[in-house]
Amino acid sequence: EAAVTQSPRSKVAVTGGKVTLSCHQTNNHDYMYWYRQDTGHGLRLIHYSYVADSTEKGDIPDGYKASRPSQENFSLILELASLSQTAVYFCASTGEIQGTEVFFGKGTRLTVV
Amino acid sequence: QQQVRQSPQSLTVWEGETAILNCSYENSAFDYFPWYQQFPGEGPALLISILSVSNKKEDGRFTIFFNKREKKLSLHIADSQPGDSATYFCAASGPGGNNKLTFGQGTVLSVIP
Repeated sequence: EAAVTQSPRSKVAVTGGKVTLSCHQTNNHDYMYWYRQDTGHGLRLIHYSYVADSTEKGDIPDGYKASRPSQENFSLILELASLSQTAVYFCASTGEIQGTEVFFGKGTRLTVV
Repeated sequence: QQQVRQSPQSLTVWEGETAILNCSYENSAFDYFPWYQQFPGEGPALLISILSVSNKKEDGRFTIFFNKREKKLSLHIADSQPGDSATYFCAASGPGGNNKLTFGQGTVLSVIP
């Protein structure tokens, strides 16, 4: 069964601090994504990657960096966390063929105080 | 700019009724439309999907009706069950690789026993 594992599942961070959210997939998928979910906005794409050592900007990349050190791992980095980045973050993976199912992790609830 | 819109924001139906969730989109290049179901504390999970070459897709109690000319689609949930209570997201993607999904803001469905 396809699996996407996120860590931590929840985190409280201080404004101005650095936060790293991690994602690991065992699906042998090339594509990985980071989405953020806010009430009333659905899911919005932050960064994505289609190959190791390469990342692309999504629709709302400002304030975020991403790292794809291997096919299995994809991290989201908040260098200077801000209150507005309080949200639930989802990692996802999928195969190369268009229309292939996208599998999501269980999410990381980030609270910036 | 919201490229995928959903209505209503919330919907309450009685057990056994048919729930109808609506979705519209702006980008004519979108050709793949998955619906995702999300329970509290979980990530979205694929429920059913349709390609733009089709106008209807059925899977058990779940049916998608698609109107390409009007850029509209709807998800019908027949014989609604309390276990169907969840948030439903309409999403869309187009050709060109990357398999990026653009999500609507979601519809919260409540099924009353």
